[in-house]
Amino acid sequence: GAGVSQSPRYKVAKRGQDVALRCDPISGHVSLFWYQQALGQGPEFLTYFQNEAQLDKSGLPSDRFFAERPEGSVSTLKIQRTQQEDSAVYLCASSSRISGRYSGELFFGEGSRLTVL
Amino acid sequence: KQEVTQIPAALSVPEGENLVLNCSFTDSAIYNLQWFRQDPGKGLTSLLLIQSSQREQTSGRLNASLDKSSGRSTLYIAASQPGDSATYLCAVRPGSARQLTFGSGTQLTVLP
Repeated sequence: GAGVSQSPRYKVAKRGQDVALRCDPISGHVSLFWYQQALGQGPEFLTYFQNEAQLDKSGLPSDRFFAERPEGSVSTLKIQRTQQEDSAVYLCASSSRISGRYSGELFFGEGSRLTVL
Repeated sequence: KQEVTQIPAALSVPEGENLVLNCSFTDSAIYNLQWFRQDPGKGLTSLLLIQSSQREQTSGRLNASLDKSSGRSTLYIAASQPGDSATYLCAVRPGSARQLTFGSGTQLTVLP
């Protein structure tokens, strides 16, 4: 696609519910990142995929957070038993390797705003 | 641990003024530095990417500089316009990792 697409754009969940957030990266981008952004703050890293391999999940705040990218394209971030502190914008980003050189430029989606009541 | 600081947190200027946004980082061993723009309720739009071997990048009215040794980057916006109003975020990629570390941003308001 032309850009990184995320859905849903807005999600309201009751405390304790499970949610799933979807990211469709730019076609052909091998690297995919998830970030969490609290109000008034910069994004914080959650996890990173290269193709289908999850190479870094050091930023996931608890074992209630789980991400997957089974076919190396679309990714899903799942949050189980949501808590109020999970309320944030969840941003997905992708990047590519160009001509054997990793440019490192990240392209972000518009985010999924999660509100936990 | 890499820390990124952006000063000021908020800035208001009249239209037409040239301005500078500042970004500092604690660990100079970076792979690259990227400036983003974020409009309210929106995602991040990449403005400029500076590789560690570069000193500056330019795009239209924007110019970003990088001084790795002092841990600083500046984003210069020439002839500011009301449409430039947004939050500007600086992010660095450490040499040893793929993810970016972000500052908290500078919220810019350009008054008509």
